[in-house]
Amino acid sequence: KAGVTQTPRYLIKTRGQQVTLSCSPISGHRSVSWYQQTPGQGLQFLFEYFSETQRNKGNFPGRFSGRQFSNSRSEMNVSTLELGDSALYLCASSIDSSTNEKLFFGSGTQLSVL
Amino acid sequence: EDQVTQSPEALRLQEGESSSLNCSYTVSGLRGLFWYRQDPGKGPEFLFTLYSAGEEKEKERLKATLTKKESFLHITAPKPEDSATYLCAVQGSNAGKSTFGDGTTLTVKP
Repeated sequence: KAGVTQTPRYLIKTRGQQVTLSCSPISGHRSVSWYQQTPGQGLQFLFEYFSETQRNKGNFPGRFSGRQFSNSRSEMNVSTLELGDSALYLCASSIDSSTNEKLFFGSGTQLSVL
Repeated sequence: EDQVTQSPEALRLQEGESSSLNCSYTVSGLRGLFWYRQDPGKGPEFLFTLYSAGEEKEKERLKATLTKKESFLHITAPKPEDSATYLCAVQGSNAGKSTFGDGTTLTVKP
């Protein structure tokens, strides 16, 4: 069974640009969560989608947005990039995270903002 | 707001030297406490789920325990391949959201 796939693996952008990250969950998993990981802040919850609906949202500005498609694949968008957005962005999937399911993580997208 | 604090931040052990990692938490309505292992350049990998105080889970050299306020990850006779960052996370009443601690980076020297 294929794991969680995130693309691209690495990304370099400049301030003010926007970026879209992609996540393909494990087949059969309907919940997709996004996390930001930085050395200083650890893993911070961005949002969670289930059946194409955003079910939970973390404390991030509106520049961070996401969506989920009917095949459970998800995308995350960050507009007007800032230097502080440099981080590892992790996607995680589960069958349904509201039932205390463990998360399966992808390897992440390493975003560098110059 | 759910909070998770892990200690120590870093732990260096000699091969075979047993120790414990601590995870203290405050959560509204604990639905599950999770331990993950993260290797450099990779996403976290699931180790254990604990649901109620008194519960214990074991896997090879690792044993996780849970009380009402904290969880411990005991490592018995560690090997260099156990070197990694160990993350603790809780799911509370806000279903679908996991709150993570900052992790403990374990280094096991041969």
